[in-house]
Amino acid sequence: DTGVSQNPRHKITKRGQNVTFRCDPISEHNRLYWYRQTLGQGPEFLTYFQNEAQLEKSRLLSDRFSAERPKGSFSTLEIQRTEQGDSAMYLCASSLVGRQATNYGYTFGSGTRLTVV
Amino acid sequence: GDSVTQMEGPVTLSEEAFLTINCTYTATGYPSLFWYVQYPGEGLQLLLKATKADDKGSNKGFEATYRKETTSFHLEKGSVQVSDSAVYFCALGRGGSNYKLTFGKGTLLTVNP
Repeated sequence: DTGVSQNPRHKITKRGQNVTFRCDPISEHNRLYWYRQTLGQGPEFLTYFQNEAQLEKSRLLSDRFSAERPKGSFSTLEIQRTEQGDSAMYLCASSLVGRQATNYGYTFGSGTRLTVV
Repeated sequence: GDSVTQMEGPVTLSEEAFLTINCTYTATGYPSLFWYVQYPGEGLQLLLKATKADDKGSNKGFEATYRKETTSFHLEKGSVQVSDSAVYFCALGRGGSNYKLTFGKGTLLTVNP
């Protein structure tokens, strides 16, 4: 178990370009979450998956953002036509939720820092 | 909606000093409450949690008690160490499986030898 892995660690892109981030959760975890953290703020919920199903999307997730978890394993977060306001740390987390909706706790990755210039 | 307010930092203490980081929340119902810690260059790690009123979470010498009457979950440690230097986040969990966490802004703690 190597924890939650996120790639790349850093990404610098020009405004208007598309970017894609990858998250590899802990293998036995059935839930996967994306959060965004801007400087001086706490993480903000973006979306989450139960296996391959995307169950909730925050209003923070505009139409330029799309997340997938095609086989219920790794996930990708794509941002199209990036804007300077998209500059942030994008955090992925995973958890195991068992019977009776018992959540055994989040494990966070180290994040992908996006800088849009 | 849900919100978490925690004391602004940075907080600078000498080793072995007493630590308190205040956290209050606004939420309907009975959320679970958490403290997360983030060391430089690392992901957030769960420090402790409490799932119902009057529960006390504890870990590594840190404690916090879920006070519903004051909607608070203050973090305390009797004697801090240099290795405790990090950013601390208070959070509440919503949903039957706490699938959505709402975080405070974080408090940077620096402990000097």
